Amino acid sequence: EPEVTQTPSHQVTQMGQEVILRCVPISNHLYFYWYRQILGQKVEFLVSFYNNEISEKSEIFDDQFSVERPDGSNFTLKIRSTKLEDSAMYFCASSFHRTDYGYTFGSGTRLTVV
Amino acid sequence: SQQGEEDPQALSIQEGENATMNCSYKTSINNLQWYRQNSGRGLVHLILIRSNEREKHSGRLRVTLDTSKKSSSLLITASRAADTASYFCATISNFGNEKLTFGTGTRLTIIP
Repeated sequence: EPEVTQTPSHQVTQMGQEVILRCVPISNHLYFYWYRQILGQKVEFLVSFYNNEISEKSEIFDDQFSVERPDGSNFTLKIRSTKLEDSAMYFCASSFHRTDYGYTFGSGTRLTVV
Repeated sequence: SQQGEEDPQALSIQEGENATMNCSYKTSINNLQWYRQNSGRGLVHLILIRSNEREKHSGRLRVTLDTSKKSSSLLITASRAADTASYFCATISNFGNEKLTFGTGTRLTIIP
């Protein structure tokens, strides 16, 4: 069964540092997403990406965040200057269709900002 | 505003019993999906039901959708210890944006 792969599984970083979270979506999927889940809370949408551009972003996705699909296989989330409140589980997801299929999620990257 | 609210927030049942979880949402939807999340892990897609469908089955899962009440239910029959997880409903709205919006989740514990 095809999988969405995320690396690293756990990242600890100092406040103010930049982090890059990496994802390899399923190869024939066209739509890509980042979500986050603060411990014990609901899963929150960050950004969607299609045709090499952001299609939608949430209020959380401010200027500190950026996404890239640099080489046709990887999909990255960069947080420029991390804050304590960025500590969360970050999930990448991909889907074949905008609405008619479920999303396939990766196992997540646990980001801890100290 | 929260699109999905699950009820109950937590549910404990004996192995072999049926588990029912409910979800309510606020806006008109294209479809509603259910996901499972084992503790600290990724979300696994279980089932998708379109707005013009009323009921769908997949193995031991049965999902209903009532668009007039803006609600859905997930029934897991003959529960097993391995079903212990959090279950989330998520919706895709009819308003052009494509993102999946998650509810608050039900924590299901199956007691062996």
